[in-house]
Amino acid sequence: NAGVMQNPRHLVRRRGQEARLRCSPMKGHSHVYWYRQLPEEGLKFMVYLQKENIIDESGMPKERFSAEFPKEGPSILRIQQVVRGDSAAYFCASSPLSNQPQHFGDGTRLSIL
Amino acid sequence: KQEVTQIPAALSVPEGENLVLNCSFTDSAIYNLQWFRQDPGKGLTSLLLIQSSQREQTSGRLNASLDKSSGRSTLYIAASQPGDSATYLCAVDQTGANNLFFGTGTRLTVIP
Repeated sequence: NAGVMQNPRHLVRRRGQEARLRCSPMKGHSHVYWYRQLPEEGLKFMVYLQKENIIDESGMPKERFSAEFPKEGPSILRIQQVVRGDSAAYFCASSPLSNQPQHFGDGTRLSIL
Repeated sequence: KQEVTQIPAALSVPEGENLVLNCSFTDSAIYNLQWFRQDPGKGLTSLLLIQSSQREQTSGRLNASLDKSSGRSTLYIAASQPGDSATYLCAVDQTGANNLFFGTGTRLTVIP
């Protein structure tokens, strides 16, 4: 029973490019959460999605960031026109129901040159 | 807005010692509190989850306590081992909607 799978593990982009981060939840989990961990800071909630719906995006920056969780396929966190400050580890978590513990992936480390 | 603080930021202990990690939160109206472990370059592993109605939870050498009224939780690790070396994070779920507020963690090193 595979855990939460995130890819790529490491992603390097130049300023102005787009970054796409993918997350496949655990089997049977329909709730997905994205968090960002900036250097020397704690994890910060970004967005919570359930299949095809955004439930809570209160932690998402208003511009350049978007997330989706289509009916088929992984959840995608998309960052357009990346800047140096986007460099961070992005973690995805999933749960079977909204009030059950989350299982985390190993993260994608995004570096902006 | 909920703020979660963990003290100390780093801790080194010799193998075999018992130790306590601290977590405090500013808004006591919480749904549950979780302790996680994070190894370098890895994701988070859930260790213990305490519901708001509970006082403590135990798993093996780990014991977590919760005092909602004072906004504090502790993670007690008995007979520490080098394999316990990791960053320990506490996180608060305020509403049950699973929007977790994390502390910045305590980096634990257990010296053989």
